[in-house]
Amino acid sequence: GENVEQHPSTLSVQEGDSAVIKCTYSDSASNYFPWYKQELGKRPQLIIDIRSNVGEKKDQRIAVTLNKTAKHFSLHITETQPEDSAVYFCAARGTGNQFYFGTGTSLTVIP
Amino acid sequence: DAGITQSPRHKVTETGTPVTLRCHQTENHRYMYWYRQDPGHGLRLIHYSYGVKDTDKGEVSDGYSVSRSKTEDFLLTLESATSSQTSVYFCAISEHSRGDYNEQFFGPGTRLTVL
Repeated sequence: GENVEQHPSTLSVQEGDSAVIKCTYSDSASNYFPWYKQELGKRPQLIIDIRSNVGEKKDQRIAVTLNKTAKHFSLHITETQPEDSAVYFCAARGTGNQFYFGTGTSLTVIP
Repeated sequence: DAGITQSPRHKVTETGTPVTLRCHQTENHRYMYWYRQDPGHGLRLIHYSYGVKDTDKGEVSDGYSVSRSKTEDFLLTLESATSSQTSVYFCAISEHSRGDYNEQFFGPGTRLTVL
């Protein structure tokens, strides 16, 4: 099956700086890559996603890039704010509509 | 939030007892999933369903069974709960109506403690 690795596990940035979270996947058949934000005690919420036929997608301060050849994708958050503090998960959709998740990145934005 | 509810939201039980968690959706989505979330492991798939009475195993299915007799309900059963099954359980739904572009929406979660 698919294997998704996510780095770093923890990340601290100053307010206003950028944050980058990276994920790799193993199954070249995976074709959809969502990112989730999870606040403490809450459910994961989709924040951005990208399909395998697209290299980059942006939504205001959040962007995702995908390199299919290298099998890695990244989340970029610019102009970070304290409310961006949360755990972020990447995922890959494999065969059979199964989703495989990374182990999460705990982002802390320091005011 | 998509129309997904889970019950119970919290449960404390003893080792060896059976436990059933329920996921209910009002979105008429075809796919339903059960995940467990543990520190350091992210979200791991237990079982999923791709239609009524159609289910398959995920990566951590041992000790769990599921049933889906109606589109809107997906039940997760721990036949004999063990302390290693103490976790937060999330249900999720997904639709297959836009080609391969399938957002997945999560329920609020169930915190299960097995003593």
